[in-house]
Amino acid sequence: DAKTTQPPSMDCAEGRAANLPCNHSTISGNEYVYWYRQIHSQGPQYIIHGLKNNETNEMASLIITEDRKSSTLILPHATLRDTAVYYCIVRVPNTGNQFYFGTGTSLTVIP
Amino acid sequence: DTEVTQTPKHLVMGMTNKKSLKCEQHMGHRAMYWYKQKAKKPPELMFVYSYEKLSINESVPSRFSPECPNSSLLNLHLHALQPEDSALYLCASSQSVGTVSREQYFGPGTRLTVT
Repeated sequence: DAKTTQPPSMDCAEGRAANLPCNHSTISGNEYVYWYRQIHSQGPQYIIHGLKNNETNEMASLIITEDRKSSTLILPHATLRDTAVYYCIVRVPNTGNQFYFGTGTSLTVIP
Repeated sequence: DTEVTQTPKHLVMGMTNKKSLKCEQHMGHRAMYWYKQKAKKPPELMFVYSYEKLSINESVPSRFSPECPNSSLLNLHLHALQPEDSALYLCASSQSVGTVSREQYFGPGTRLTVT
């Protein structure tokens, strides 16, 4: 299984972009990178996922390096409601759709 | 409808009790999951069901017994639990389309306290 490494915590000023890094240096060619977030005491919420190319949706952008060993989740204009734990997950291939969560980054958006 | 519902929201049970957690989705997903989450820790995968069959058991103790009666419903039967089993139990579902990745949708969880 590819493991992920994320900083344990980050702060971001409200209205600014939040850039959350993730290292996954042992990722294999067919593994996707997923990002989820978990607001306190709620279930995790899907944000975005990608394989090779950069991806963007209404919530965030995902930038994956060319060698795929790291990625960055970008929340373009952070709000107080974006305060949450953000998990970067690499999908285990060939054994179904289960995910193994790493320790995540606790993002605090500061007014 | 992209909702996964879980009942009850909170459950307190004694170590000799038998109780069940329920999870439901109506998105036509054929993969369903149980996770356990202790305070300030990430969710830990417990079980995976694919097309109503148990496909993954992450060495979970037998006092936890999953059941998938149909494609929309997932239960977790609890018996003779220990206080250390107190946690947030999360259910999730996803499409199951071979090896093509699909995101998982999570329910709000059941907060379980074992006394």
